[in-house]
Amino acid sequence: EVQLLESGRGLVQPGGSLRLSCAASGFTFSNYAMSWVRQAPGKGLEWVSSISGSGGTTYYADSVKGRFTISRDNSKNTLYLQMSFLRAEDTALYYCAKTVGYPWWFDHWGQGTLVTVSS
Amino acid sequence: QSVLTQPPSVSGAPGQRVTISCTGSSSNIGAGYDVHWYQQLPGTAPKLLIYGNSNRPSGVPDRFSGSKSGTSASLAITGLQAEDEADYYCQSYDSALSAYYVFGTGTKVTVL
Repeated sequence: EVQLLESGRGLVQPGGSLRLSCAASGFTFSNYAMSWVRQAPGKGLEWVSSISGSGGTTYYADSVKGRFTISRDNSKNTLYLQMSFLRAEDTALYYCAKTVGYPWWFDHWGQGTLVTVSS
Repeated sequence: QSVLTQPPSVSGAPGQRVTISCTGSSSNIGAGYDVHWYQQLPGTAPKLLIYGNSNRPSGVPDRFSGSKSGTSASLAITGLQAEDEADYYCQSYDSALSAYYVFGTGTKVTVL
């Protein structure tokens, strides 16, 4: 059974930084791309970033480019999202998602971790 | 701002059929990119419902079906049940944006 468990939730001030983690199990982690998708309170889904299975290729939404960095450690079956220069509009529930196909879609999702940016 | 437009809400009585549209453009759905659908029950994470326009993952009831034509796609739910009350999102790829992967605006399905 595929399991994705996000961690790293927190309250951070504008301009601050936070790192999210996603521990994966139930599949061969290195064989799959992974992604982060966020959902602001009461709003819809927004794709944030994706990374290839090897970690060699990354993609970002314009809204986070230059501020967020996606990475993975295939030896630890863990996906990361380093978030810097955080803004109030980054406040959201962040989901990690197992990513399949090409162009990609998201076949399994974690339960999400909440990031609140506020002074 | 999403480039895939969905109706904010649809409703139906138990047993009825409802459809949700997802309207895109020539840089996403109209360019031939596949459409995928997700169901988000209240307070839970999204779940893949339809992939590749019309394919159901294992475990998804055949009451759910998807189709695509031109610059639009649709999700149909037949034999509507109370447990189908949820938010539904379409998703595709956009070649004109550096956002790459785009979601629809979302549709709330209410079972009357």
